[in-house]
Amino acid sequence: DAGVIQSPRHEVTEMGQEVTLRCKPISGHNSLFWYRQTMMRGLELLIYFNNNVPIDDSGMPEDRFSAKMPNASFSTLKIQPSEPRDSAVYFCASSSGQLVFFGSGTQLSVL
Amino acid sequence: KNEVEQSPQNLTAQEGEFITINCSYSVGISALHWLQQHPGGGIVSLFMLSSGKKKHGRLIATINIQEKHSSLHITASHPRDSAVYICAAQETSGSRLTFGEGTQLTVNP
Repeated sequence: DAGVIQSPRHEVTEMGQEVTLRCKPISGHNSLFWYRQTMMRGLELLIYFNNNVPIDDSGMPEDRFSAKMPNASFSTLKIQPSEPRDSAVYFCASSSGQLVFFGSGTQLSVL
Repeated sequence: KNEVEQSPQNLTAQEGEFITINCSYSVGISALHWLQQHPGGGIVSLFMLSSGKKKHGRLIATINIQEKHSSLHITASHPRDSAVYICAAQETSGSRLTFGEGTQLTVNP
C-alpha cells in the first residue's frame, strides 16, 4: 500500500480564494482524520470520520471550513474563502483502530 | 494547563547516550501514541500503548495508567534520531487524539 496520499503537497493562494485539499486513506482503514499544524498551536484535530461519517468536527475553526468523505477512499477539506491565518500544514491520517498513519501533509500559504 | 504535557521541550544529546522523553496526561484514555516528526515534516507513528511496555529496535515506550504517565526511551542514540517526538492521548470515547507540544531532540555526532 502507498500509505495515506495527500494532494497537493504545496498550495499558494490569495486571500479570498477557495482551497480544496484531498486525501486518500489507506485501504481498509475505517477512521480518517484531518489535522492542522502551526508553530503557535502545534497539531490540532479539525475533524474525524468513522466509516465515512463525521464523528467529531468540534475542531473545525469556523464555517469557512468544510470536510466531506463521499466514500471510503476519498476525503476533501475545503476552505472558502481562505484567509492568511489559515496558512499551516494540513495533515490527513487514517487508522484501523491501531496505529495512526499520516500523509505527507499539504503546506498551505494564503497570501 | 494542557491535557497532555511533555518534557523536556528541547533535548540535546551526544551520540550513544540514553534518551528519555516524558509525557503526562490528565484525561481518561484508551491508548497513548508516540509519534516522530522529521525535519522534513513527515509524521510517523512509533507506538500505540494501552498498558505496559513496547519495544521496537532501539525505541522503548512505557506507560503507567495509574500515574497517567508515559515515557519514550531511545537507547544508543544516533544523529538520525534527531526529530520532534510527540505524545498523543487517545480519548476513551473514540479516536480523537490530544497532542502534547512535542520534544525537539537533537543528537550530535
